[in-house]
Amino acid sequence: EPEVTQTPSHQVTQMGQEVILRCVPISNHLYFYWYRQILGQKVEFLVSFYNNEISEKSEIFDDQFSVERPDGSNFTLKIRSTKLEDSAMYFCASSSDTSSGANVLTFGAGSRLTVL
Amino acid sequence: QKEVEQNSGPLSVPEGAIASLNCTYSDRGSQSFFWYRQYSGKSPELIMFIYSNGDKEDGRFTAQLNKASQYVSLLIRDSQPSDSATYLCAVQNYGGSQGNLIFGKGTKLSVKP
Repeated sequence: EPEVTQTPSHQVTQMGQEVILRCVPISNHLYFYWYRQILGQKVEFLVSFYNNEISEKSEIFDDQFSVERPDGSNFTLKIRSTKLEDSAMYFCASSSDTSSGANVLTFGAGSRLTVL
Repeated sequence: QKEVEQNSGPLSVPEGAIASLNCTYSDRGSQSFFWYRQYSGKSPELIMFIYSNGDKEDGRFTAQLNKASQYVSLLIRDSQPSDSATYLCAVQNYGGSQGNLIFGKGTKLSVKP
């Protein structure tokens, strides 16, 4: 079964450093997303990406964050100048279309970010 | 503020029983509703989705949607210990945002052998 692949599975970084989380969405999917989940809290939407541009972003997704699709397969989330409160699990997701009455997202296994 | 509310649990049921999980949402514009299962430390895994009022069955799972009451539920029949997980309700304003899911905090289910 096709899956969304995320790397690294766990990254530890010092406060103030930049991190890049990488995702390989399912190959025929057109819509890409990043969500995050702080330990013990709910899954929160960060950003959606379609046709090489951001289609929607949440209040969380401020200037500290950026996304990029540098080639035909990867989708990255960059977090600049990390803060302690950025420690969370970051999930990448992708979906194929919006024509079935629901846009069904498939999630990757996640990248755990720990900021010290 | 769009909210999705779930009882955090834990909900404890004996093996073989029916587990009933409930979810309410605040945005009447929500059109599609999802149930995900999340094991500790893992990613959300889709169980099923529903977008029409009524019931939708998939194996041991039944989703129920009542848009007038802004209520969606998930029934798990013949519960197994392997069903022990946190169940996340998520809603989607399908037309407006191409997939922005708003999640509840989840209900922790424990199935006792």
